[in-house]
Amino acid sequence: DGGITQSPKYLFRKEGQNVTLSCEQNLNHDAMYWYRQDPGQGLRLIYYSQIVNDFQKGDIAEGYSVSREKKESFPLTVTSAQKNPTAFYLCASRRGSAGDTQYFGPGTRLTVL
Amino acid sequence: AQTVTQSQPEMSVQEAETVTLSCTYDTSENNYYLFWYKQPPSRQMILVIRQEAYKQQNATENRFSVNFQKAAKSFSLKISDSQLGDTAMYFCAFMKPVSGSQGNLIFGKGTKLSVKP
Repeated sequence: DGGITQSPKYLFRKEGQNVTLSCEQNLNHDAMYWYRQDPGQGLRLIYYSQIVNDFQKGDIAEGYSVSREKKESFPLTVTSAQKNPTAFYLCASRRGSAGDTQYFGPGTRLTVL
Repeated sequence: AQTVTQSQPEMSVQEAETVTLSCTYDTSENNYYLFWYKQPPSRQMILVIRQEAYKQQNATENRFSVNFQKAAKSFSLKISDSQLGDTAMYFCAFMKPVSGSQGNLIFGKGTKLSVKP
């Protein structure tokens, strides 16, 4: 089945540690996105990538980093510079033509202890 | 910059009844796309319905339909014959149309819908 997978589902991190969230898609989509969701908030864009080896900052990129070495994969690293990393993280992808729908993975809940 | 506003943080409806969720947006673009996503307790974001602004006909998907008022910049979602499984957060989202663009979505803050038996 085609889809978007995110792992792990739950992740715990100690303060001061970097952690990487995985996002993989087998939909042959060109574009991929990372969003952060906090209680009572909509989704806010962290980073996005339109093609392999290229990505851009979204609205809240500080304290995060990404890579796009393969079309299928778009991992997100939450660094120790991110001041309040506890949140729900969602990955999405789309084909890349105008108006194409974004489809979402199941998300990762990150908790900083 | 585009903004999306959902003015109803929470709503409830009796099973089998109809409910309408409101969404307004602000843009200077003439062509764009609008979406409603559903996020049930599992937190999986699921596409409910998609509307192309240059199409005057309101989009429908089974029990879900929209009332798209372009001049008023309004995009409400109507759920008919509400079911317990419709209980979820509903997010309205806006996308600019530029071909090959970022395709970024701008989300409202959501409406929490509870369907009561």
